[in-house]
Amino acid sequence: QQQVKQSPQSLIVQKGGISIINCAYENTAFDYFPWYQQFPGKGPALLIAIRPDVSEKKEGRFTISFNKSAKQFSLHIMDSQPGDSATYFCAARRKGGGNKLTFGTGTQLKVEL
Amino acid sequence: GAGVSQTPSNKVTEKGKYVELRCDPISGHTALYWYRQSLGQGPEFLIYFQGTGAADDSGLPNDRFFAVRPEGSVSTLKIQRTERGDSAVYLCASSFRDGEKLFFGSGTQLSVL
Repeated sequence: QQQVKQSPQSLIVQKGGISIINCAYENTAFDYFPWYQQFPGKGPALLIAIRPDVSEKKEGRFTISFNKSAKQFSLHIMDSQPGDSATYFCAARRKGGGNKLTFGTGTQLKVEL
Repeated sequence: GAGVSQTPSNKVTEKGKYVELRCDPISGHTALYWYRQSLGQGPEFLIYFQGTGAADDSGLPNDRFFAVRPEGSVSTLKIQRTERGDSAVYLCASSFRDGEKLFFGSGTQLSVL
């Protein structure tokens, strides 16, 4: 059972453009939604995270939009740069579940010059 | 300071063999996690330690998989009678107490021939 669905699977954006990655979840017990960035041969690194009591969180060029009623959240990368080319994973954590994260299947982002 | 260290970085073994994968968490981090990442997929939770004890081992796929953390620092993931389906990247992460920010290592690429 895939509890966190992520789309698109891959994305190509021009330098300076906006990258948008979407995730949807089913379990209403999830209470924490992080996004991780992974470069080839490296482990995932936390990028930004949000809790369901907030509809948007912004850190630099990265913004999470959260729609609790629709059970959807998305990552927006503004002014995308070639260095942003990586795989992005959304994830969710169930309340009381420690840091046991359920990850999406990932989006491979390529930012072209 | 040093991040999460995993050894070996690559392990090739034959079907039916026993393997051990090691994780050195960030100094002072009491929580340690093992995840498994198959090609093209997001990380999948295996087990979580708080100190020396396994707080949640619900992600271990079967009794061929076992993990220990005897002194509350280094952890070893042990796989008996390896199968070709065990081939994946095994990721270790640590956090301070139950802090939400997980720090991942670069993983061990396990290949079972």
